[in-house]
Amino acid sequence: DSGVTQTPKHLITATGQRVTLRCSPRSGDLSVYWYQQSLDQGLQFLIQYYNGEERAKGNILERFSAQQFPDLHSELNLSSLELGDSALYFCASSHSGGTQPQHFGDGTRLSIL
Amino acid sequence: SQQGEEDPQALSIQEGENATMNCSYKTSINNLQWYRQNSGRGLVHLILIRSNEREKHSGRLRVTLDTSKKSSSLLITASRAADTASYFCATDNNYGQNFVFGPGTRLSVLP
Repeated sequence: DSGVTQTPKHLITATGQRVTLRCSPRSGDLSVYWYQQSLDQGLQFLIQYYNGEERAKGNILERFSAQQFPDLHSELNLSSLELGDSALYFCASSHSGGTQPQHFGDGTRLSIL
Repeated sequence: SQQGEEDPQALSIQEGENATMNCSYKTSINNLQWYRQNSGRGLVHLILIRSNEREKHSGRLRVTLDTSKKSSSLLITASRAADTASYFCATDNNYGQNFVFGPGTRLSVLP
């Protein structure tokens, strides 16, 4: 058990809809990362937050947004969903960011119909 | 584009054999990490090797790093069926802020 909790585990929705994925980091970790994993794109870094502030941005679409709250949990919002957004979305956390090992949750599997 | 590229894409061995996976990257790094992912689960951190280190061990795992060749290898000795998983290398960007994951090597250990 990594200590990182992601909800929901599975999400099925339709094109054009909006969803929110939630992540609770490991106790004591200040940094949260979001990744998208699909068969054709592999594991893509989306965005990182550290103690409530955006730290780094990767291949995150404008339709996607994220935030980290004062209690350090994070949410990833995906809007105007397209079929290609179907993927596994992982949250990871580390104590202080930088080059420390990341601890991954088990992901949210998003299916767009 | 990918920073790290694992090789081979897939590897199938018998239990008890050793498994070697390689990772090549393109730009300078501060460190390199290896992760394991069991099917449908999150990634699990295995080992971190810094750019000034050449070799690191953790149990049955041995990682080497050759910065001159921009490559790393992960050796799993005396493999077990439970080692069946995908293995990823991850490198930091120039600012050491995040990690870029390669496409992974799928390892199958047959009983």
